[in-house]
Amino acid sequence: QQQVKQSPQSLIVQKGGISIINCAYENTAFDYFPWYQQFPGKGPALLIAIRPDVSEKKEGRFTISFNKSAKQFSLHIMDSQPGDSATYFCAAGPGGATNKLIFGTGTLLAVQP
Amino acid sequence: DAGITQSPRHKVTETGTPVTLRCHQTENHRYMYWYRQDPGHGLRLIHYSYGVKDTDKGEVSDGYSVSRSKTEDFLLTLESATSSQTSVYFCAITQREGGTEAFFGQGTRLTVV
Repeated sequence: QQQVKQSPQSLIVQKGGISIINCAYENTAFDYFPWYQQFPGKGPALLIAIRPDVSEKKEGRFTISFNKSAKQFSLHIMDSQPGDSATYFCAAGPGGATNKLIFGTGTLLAVQP
Repeated sequence: DAGITQSPRHKVTETGTPVTLRCHQTENHRYMYWYRQDPGHGLRLIHYSYGVKDTDKGEVSDGYSVSRSKTEDFLLTLESATSSQTSVYFCAITQREGGTEAFFGQGTRLTVV
């Protein structure tokens, strides 16, 4: 079974700081890399996604950086806010086929005021 | 939550009893998925459906069966619940395959005692 390794398992950041979560994948056939955000008691929700034809994608305070040669991608949250406190999951898969998406184990982010 | 309703939201059942979880969508999406979420494992696909009466196994399908007799409903059945099936179960939908956003329900917390 292909894995997606996510780190760190938990992260504490001060308000206004930068949160960085990293993921590494194994299968070079993967070409769709979404990040999901999950609040307690809720289902995951798509935050941002990238395909390997670009090295970076930015949406507001959230940025995905992608390193194809290293098979790694990361989520950067700029100016982190207490409202960003949630669990974040990375995922990777071929051609965006949802049934083949492999999820990371999640990162619990706490942004302290 | 993108027109997805999971029921029940919480359930406690005894080992060896059958349990059925329901996912209902109002989006008329073709694809539906059942995941389980466990600490340290992220989200793992149990079964998915690509149309009425069309289903297939995911990564962790042993001990589970599914049925889809209508576009809007996708049922997950644990034929004889075991303690290892204690988990949070999420239903998800996508309009089509190929990198489209997966919308998740709010989850069902199942405890098998």
